[in-house]
Amino acid sequence: AQSVTQLDSQVPVFEEAPVELRCNYSSSVSVYLFWYVQYPNQGLQLLLKYLSGSTLVKGINGFEAEFNKSQTSFHLRKPSVHISDTAEYFCAVSDREIKAAGNKLTFGGGTRVLVKP
Amino acid sequence: KAGVTQTPRYLIKTRGQQVTLSCSPISGHRSVSWYQQTPGQGLQFLFEYFSETQRNKGNFPGRFSGRQFSNSRSEMNVSTLELGDSALYLCASSWRETQYFGPGTRLLVL
Repeated sequence: AQSVTQLDSQVPVFEEAPVELRCNYSSSVSVYLFWYVQYPNQGLQLLLKYLSGSTLVKGINGFEAEFNKSQTSFHLRKPSVHISDTAEYFCAVSDREIKAAGNKLTFGGGTRVLVKP
Repeated sequence: KAGVTQTPRYLIKTRGQQVTLSCSPISGHRSVSWYQQTPGQGLQFLFEYFSETQRNKGNFPGRFSGRQFSNSRSEMNVSTLELGDSALYLCASSWRETQYFGPGTRLLVL
């Protein structure tokens, strides 16, 4: 079984300031890790993913995330946010053994980011 | 490539009715997953289909069912609707480990 905890439900931040969204996970198996963004009245858009290799992953729109295996964390960061980054952000994990376990995402509760001018 | 499409985008039903939602995956993707999103429960996995077979299923009652056709298009059906079924239903198609989501179908049960 897997679980994902997003430690902040809401994060207010001023425009051009940095932001960090925290994500911790628990799993009995090896996982893939993802961050998705959801703008109002839309579906989920993939920001970035960690599959293997370098633990620092760069995504779209200037976002990056760092995988820390010992702390089972996958925190998302952006050095300078824009008004357009106002959205809800979801951290998710899936089992690496897709053929056996299927492809199922387990999501955290989401973090609402409100960028203020 | 065109993205994942879902129809209809909005739907209003009354308790006791049934509803069918449709999802067309990205061309070439053989896996389709469905999720329910509500303010109270967040994003929850319903089921996944791969090559017309259900490969994984979440903890939802039997009123929730789905199927996948030979062209990978998928439908989900909810019978005997309850007020608590009001939600955004998201479909995702997968290429290997990565899921790409559609815009969702917003269902309101009155």
